[in-house]
Amino acid sequence: GIQVEQSPPDLILQEGANSTLRCNFSDSVNNLQWFHQNPWGQLINLFYIPSGTKQNGRLSATTVATERYSLLYISSSQTTDSGVYFCAVEWGAQKLVFGQGTRLTINP
Amino acid sequence: SQTIHQWPATLVQPVGSPLSLECTVEGTSNPNLYWYRQAAGRGLQLLFYSVGIGQISSEVPQNLSASRPQDRQFILSSKKLLLSDSGFYLCAWSVTGATEAFFGQGTRLTVV
Repeated sequence: GIQVEQSPPDLILQEGANSTLRCNFSDSVNNLQWFHQNPWGQLINLFYIPSGTKQNGRLSATTVATERYSLLYISSSQTTDSGVYFCAVEWGAQKLVFGQGTRLTINP
Repeated sequence: SQTIHQWPATLVQPVGSPLSLECTVEGTSNPNLYWYRQAAGRGLQLLFYSVGIGQISSEVPQNLSASRPQDRQFILSSKKLLLSDSGFYLCAWSVTGATEAFFGQGTRLTVV
């Protein structure tokens, strides 16, 4: 099956710092999503980005499908950005396969 | 707009007891429905998915089963829970032909 690898597994930053999270996948995919899991466990949709670049406020994402990776950028981090960030790719019959996540901690 | 409801939010069940978790979607028709499990705060594992009423695909052999009795209702069940069934269970939906998935708030199951 497809492998989805996220790096780094853990990231600790000070408030105001910028960060880059990476998602590599081992096979061609049709779609890719980024999620933020909040402290209560809910998965919040950040980006639906099969290719190209999208921006939403302080967050942006880029997917280079031909090279099988996606990047999530967070600028001017805030403590509310803390949590686990997941990428998930569509593989097979409309199934999402998740990476193991990056745990981001933003200290005040 | 579409919404997804999942309940209960938390559940503590003894080993050997039955389980029924329910998920319903509003505001859309014929959605794809999914059950995921998350253990130890990392990595979501797909358990079941359904593209229509009565159509269930299982991803991994396990002590659980799923059913879709109505178009927008997805149920996760077990006849006898094991300790290893503990975890965070998430229901999700997507529109047929597009796979942007949206998740419910999850059920935290502890088997004691």
